[in-house]
Amino acid sequence: GQNIDQPTEMTATEGAIVQINCTYQTSGFNGLFWYQQHAGEAPTFLSYNVLDGLEEKGRFSSFLSRSKGYSYLLLKELQMKDSASYLCAVKSNAGNMLTFGGGTRLMVKP
Amino acid sequence: DTGVSQNPRHKITKRGQNVTFRCDPISEHNRLYWYRQTLGQGPEFLTYFQNEAQLEKSRLLSDRFSAERPKGSFSTLEIQRTEQGDSAMYLCASSSMDGGYEQFFGPGTRLTVL
Repeated sequence: GQNIDQPTEMTATEGAIVQINCTYQTSGFNGLFWYQQHAGEAPTFLSYNVLDGLEEKGRFSSFLSRSKGYSYLLLKELQMKDSASYLCAVKSNAGNMLTFGGGTRLMVKP
Repeated sequence: DTGVSQNPRHKITKRGQNVTFRCDPISEHNRLYWYRQTLGQGPEFLTYFQNEAQLEKSRLLSDRFSAERPKGSFSTLEIQRTEQGDSAMYLCASSSMDGGYEQFFGPGTRLTVL
């Protein structure tokens, strides 16, 4: 089975940097995804890591350590529109479905 | 084709009724997934299709849930004899089998069972 943990809520200030952690336990690993979801909307893809290391994409970066079962999403230069839920999801090598964590609700304050 | 579409966007039904939701994936995507999401939780995988073949259905929540993708294009998810606990957002996603890994999500169908 798979178990994915991430903090339920975080608060940060506009212009700052925030790191959202995700730990996972899986019987097979074939990649880790981060999605952003605004309230009432569909999840939208942010990043994908399958090898160890840091992937940078504009203000967003994602890191993976497979040996530690750990990932983080780093958001820089926070904007008010970044207030959303951030979902960590693991893809197993036994199939194509994603197993999601409960999501981290990020509130960006002025 | 601008993305995954789902219909209806909202459905209110009485307990015991049957409901059916439709998903139209991105046209060139041959994989289609159904997820359920309850408030404050991440999406929960239900089932997925590769073309018209349903390759994983063991995660469907009960035998009241069924899904089809008869021609390998759109898909339907049916819930029979709905219960109040079925109230949730039902999300559909699609992806390409040819080198793509990202799943693109539709806007979802919000089901309320009274």
